[in-house]
Amino acid sequence: DAKTTQPPSMDCAEGRAANLPCNHSTISGNEYVYWYRQIHSQGPQYIIHGLKNNETNEMASLIITEDRKSSTLILPHATLRDTAVYYCIVRPPPGSADGLTFGKGTHLIIQP
Amino acid sequence: DAGITQSPRHKVTETGTPVTLRCHQTENHRYMYWYRQDPGHGLRLIHYSYGVKDTDKGEVSDGYSVSRSKTEDFLLTLESATSSQTSVYFCAIRATGGEQYFGPGTRLTVT
Repeated sequence: DAKTTQPPSMDCAEGRAANLPCNHSTISGNEYVYWYRQIHSQGPQYIIHGLKNNETNEMASLIITEDRKSSTLILPHATLRDTAVYYCIVRPPPGSADGLTFGKGTHLIIQP
Repeated sequence: DAGITQSPRHKVTETGTPVTLRCHQTENHRYMYWYRQDPGHGLRLIHYSYGVKDTDKGEVSDGYSVSRSKTEDFLLTLESATSSQTSVYFCAIRATGGEQYFGPGTRLTVT
């Protein structure tokens, strides 16, 4: 799997958009970008994934650069409950049986 | 939450005793996974299953075995627990889009 680089921590004010960057410069053409988060002591939670097009769901938006070497997860209106560690993971296409490789992620702290 | 439950949620056991953790899913997913999470290491894959009776090793499989005799249950067994296996264990399923959904975790302490 391609290696990802994320800032170790970020702050964001409640109600503002939280923009979490991820670098994955060695991503292969058929690898997808997945985002998960883990709130303290809970299991990781899937957020969103994409290949090359921007994606949006009820939780977040995913913006992938045209060269696919980096992406940004956007939480449009952050709340205190969004405080968590966010993981950017690059992995093979959805049909792969491979498990996930978690890095250290970004600890996002939402400030009141 | 993809209908995933884990049992027990907490367990304290002594070194050398066998321990079995259970993961149960209700949505008939083919792929299931066991991870452990330790401070400073993040989640690491122990074993996974790609169907009934079909399993494979992950990154940290030593000291663990698994079994999957029916689609809904994936068991993780520590044949002889050691203190280094004190950890939080998470089970996951893989959905058709490739995303994984995780259970609530089992906190295991080996004394």
